[in-house]
Amino acid sequence: DIQLTQSPSFLSASVGDRVTITCRASQGISNFLAWYQQKPGKAPKLLIYAASTLQSGVPSRFSGSGSGTEFTLAIISLQPEDFATYYCQQLNTYPRYTFGQGTKLEIK
Amino acid sequence: QVQLVQSGAEVKKPGASVKVSCKASGYTFTSYYIHWVRQAPGQGLEWMGVINSSGGNTNYAQNFQGRVTMTRDTSTSTVYMELSSLRSDDTAVYYCAREGGSYFEKSFDYWGQGTLVTVSS
Repeated sequence: DIQLTQSPSFLSASVGDRVTITCRASQGISNFLAWYQQKPGKAPKLLIYAASTLQSGVPSRFSGSGSGTEFTLAIISLQPEDFATYYCQQLNTYPRYTFGQGTKLEIK
Repeated sequence: QVQLVQSGAEVKKPGASVKVSCKASGYTFTSYYIHWVRQAPGQGLEWMGVINSSGGNTNYAQNFQGRVTMTRDTSTSTVYMELSSLRSDDTAVYYCAREGGSYFEKSFDYWGQGTLVTVSS
């Protein structure tokens, strides 16, 4: 199975900051990558698919980039509601769509 | 609007089985695959398997082969996930999720609210 490694695993930032989260795949996955946001006690929420396409309704301060084996999720001007855990997911090898281990974004 | 509504929390003893349901509404049920993902307390997301809502074909993660069964009832637009021979480390929140988008834009676009399964003697 394709392994996804997110970095960092924990991230401390302040409201208004810009942050980036990296997701590396163990082999090339083209742009078959999605990003999700999860808040405590809630189901994951789709933010970005196809590596860089923003899901409808997701604020434009979120962006995704990358292709192949390295991908990035960026959040500019962090808002209080953005503090959550973020997961990447590869959808290249049907149907075993594995997830990264997650990045917890905390308030500094 | 698209909704996936799961059944309620369960408490089971080791060795028992649990069956979780996921009722879909707001879209054509047979046009989308449904995946199951679980999350142990304080842990990440683990893909368990998928069912083709139309044909009923399934594909399971290696970790769950022989213990998990996914089925669907097209008359009620409901998908089921049954996990047998439960162990304490099966304690987790179980989610169903719809695989949406075209081939090049696929993702898990809608998720159920999650079902907590607690395995304890």
